[in-house]
Amino acid sequence: QSALTQPASVSGSPGQSIAISCTGTSSDVGGYNYVSWYQQHPGTAPKLVIYDVTDRPSGVSSRFSGSKSGNTASLTISGLLAEDEAVYYCSSYTSTNTMVFGGGTKLTVL
Amino acid sequence: QVQLVESGGGGVQPGRSLRLSCAASGFPFNNYGMHWVRQAPGKGLEWVAVISYDGSETFYADSVKGRFTISRDNSKNTLYLQMNSLRPEDTAVYYCVRDSLNWGLDYWGQGTRVTVSS
Repeated sequence: QSALTQPASVSGSPGQSIAISCTGTSSDVGGYNYVSWYQQHPGTAPKLVIYDVTDRPSGVSSRFSGSKSGNTASLTISGLLAEDEAVYYCSSYTSTNTMVFGGGTKLTVL
Repeated sequence: QVQLVESGGGGVQPGRSLRLSCAASGFPFNNYGMHWVRQAPGKGLEWVAVISYDGSETFYADSVKGRFTISRDNSKNTLYLQMNSLRPEDTAVYYCVRDSLNWGLDYWGQGTRVTVSS
C-alpha cells in the first residue's frame, strides 16, 4: 500500500490554470476508474471535488476537472481563484480492496 | 442534510485501547459503505478501513490490520472503530466518511483527535 505520488507544491496566478498529477501503478490508478480528488483548507475536513476520475459532485465548480492516462491521474483547476488555495489529495481504489491516498499537493495562488 | 459526528477520541497510553463512534443522520445509513480515514498532525491523509453497507465485508490498511476493527450497527445508524494495542504513530485526527458507491468519499465528519503518548 504505497502512497500515490503527487508534487509537493504547485502555484499559479489568479485566472490561470494549473494541473496536479497523481502517479500510481497498474494495481491502483492504472487499473480502475476509481480515482478521486479532495480539497482541504487548513483546520477543516477534506471535501470531495472529483470522483470516478472525471465526475464532479453536485455543487463543485466546473473549473475543476479530472483526467487519467495510464498510471497517472490529473486534476486541473482553471480560472484560479484565491479560494482555491488549499492542499489537494488524490486517492484510488486498489486491487486488494483497499484505498490509497497521495501525499498531498499544496496549491498557492500568487 | 447528511451529518457524521465522531466521538470517543482522547489521550491514551501506548498499548491501551480506544473505541471511536460515528453517529450518522440525514441519509439511509444502511445503504452506504463507510470508511475511517486519519490524519496525523501536519501530515497527509491515510486510509484506515472500510466496511460494506451491511457489515459483511471489511478491509484494512496494513498499518492497522490485526489491531483495529471496524464495525457498524445499522439499527443505531452508528459506525465504530475499535483500536487496540495503540502506538504513538496512531496519533491523528480520525474522520468518519461516507462512500459515494465508487470509493469516492463524499461526506466527512469533523474528526475526533486521538493522542497516544506515555
